Amino acid sequence: DTEVTQTPKHLVMGMTNKKSLKCEQHMGHRAMYWYKQKAKKPPELMFVYSYEKLSINESVPSRFSPECPNSSLLNLHLHALQPEDSALYLCASSQAVVGEQYFGPGTRLTVT
Amino acid sequence: GNSVTQMEGPVTLSEEAFLTINCTYTATGYPSLFWYVQYPGEGLQLLLKATKADDKGSNKGFEATYRKETTSFHLEKGSVQVSDSAVYFCALGTGFQKLVFGTGTRLLVSP
Repeated sequence: DTEVTQTPKHLVMGMTNKKSLKCEQHMGHRAMYWYKQKAKKPPELMFVYSYEKLSINESVPSRFSPECPNSSLLNLHLHALQPEDSALYLCASSQAVVGEQYFGPGTRLTVT
Repeated sequence: GNSVTQMEGPVTLSEEAFLTINCTYTATGYPSLFWYVQYPGEGLQLLLKATKADDKGSNKGFEATYRKETTSFHLEKGSVQVSDSAVYFCALGTGFQKLVFGTGTRLLVSP
């Protein structure tokens, strides 16, 4: 099973709202990732968790706050977002630091 | 630095035509190479991979060979179907938990 699940599938939020995106994998992977993808562009890495510790933050604004409660779950907390943050947010996981990443279906976020 | 260059799209083909999508890379060390496919409204799916020179990755009729001498990893399929219409991303991984993606190539297959 190479499934990564993400909820919700779609999210519309105002600039003053607080919301969270959730990601789950049951493959025993120890690395998990958040990416942002704009239309017609490749995914851009935001955060990497390795063994439940934040290992990479690609200079992401503080209005995005990641959390890894356990080795299977990854959250992305959102607050005070801007309309330009509207995008597809993808979660991925991998077994090791080197190797293929498996992606979830994404959350389509619209900020109004 | 590490980078991936893909041919620009869209690539427009008729069903049963032969497909090639070019991918070249620049990397230090010995990267792993991947092709991902993204269907409309979905996430990325790993299509195939190769971890060392001369390895051939294959899946669902798609193939790509890791060519160190030409720093290439071109994607090929002998006979495309309408259902293959999607965006294809070439990517390299050099460790440190990062993938470097190409810009993506849109494939449109008509009946």
